[in-house]
Amino acid sequence: SQTIHQWPATLVQPVGSPLSLECTVEGTSNPNLYWYRQAAGRGLQLLFYSVGIGQISSEVPQNLSASRPQDRQFILSSKKLLLSDSGFYLCAWSVPHGRWATEAFFGQGTRLTVV
Amino acid sequence: GENVEQHPSTLSVQEGDSAVIKCTYSDSASNYFPWYKQELGKRPQLIIDIRSNVGEKKDQRIAVTLNKTAKHFSLHITETQPEDSAVYFCAASKVVDNNNDMRFGAGTRLTVKP
Repeated sequence: SQTIHQWPATLVQPVGSPLSLECTVEGTSNPNLYWYRQAAGRGLQLLFYSVGIGQISSEVPQNLSASRPQDRQFILSSKKLLLSDSGFYLCAWSVPHGRWATEAFFGQGTRLTVV
Repeated sequence: GENVEQHPSTLSVQEGDSAVIKCTYSDSASNYFPWYKQELGKRPQLIIDIRSNVGEKKDQRIAVTLNKTAKHFSLHITETQPEDSAVYFCAASKVVDNNNDMRFGAGTRLTVKP
């Protein structure tokens, strides 16, 4: 069966510090991978998605970046965090079935507080 | 691009009553419509979904209906229970260049009062 691991679960970082959040998927090959951010009480904002190793698409311009060094590994980074980067970050994966879109499976999330 | 609107943003019902959440989408190429439930501090989890070649789907107390012509779909929860209290998200999705392009509504906070 497929599983998704995301860590850390919580993180408190000072403004201007770097960030690295990691997500790995097991039990599937060549998944689509996603990073979402959720501000308190708000919806799911798509930040980045990837359809393959080294292929990253950005949805929203910001001071965050993403990388996919391996097929089932997705990393979210920042060189210098801003207060506005605080939020709940969710990694997700899915595998489309031909022309049919399919369910996205979410990691447990990382609650980031920038102080 | 796809735009998904979800209403209402908050919904309060009495235990045992029904709850209905509605979503509209703009892109007729969307062919998959999932509904996610997110409890406080947890990850969103799929509760029901529907493909564009189906008009209605039911799973015990929850059901989803899809009107492709009008581009809207709805979640129906019957006999609500306090544990149904959560935020519910709808989404519309299509495949673009091998990517599951999934767009979410803004969410509905459902409160079921005992």
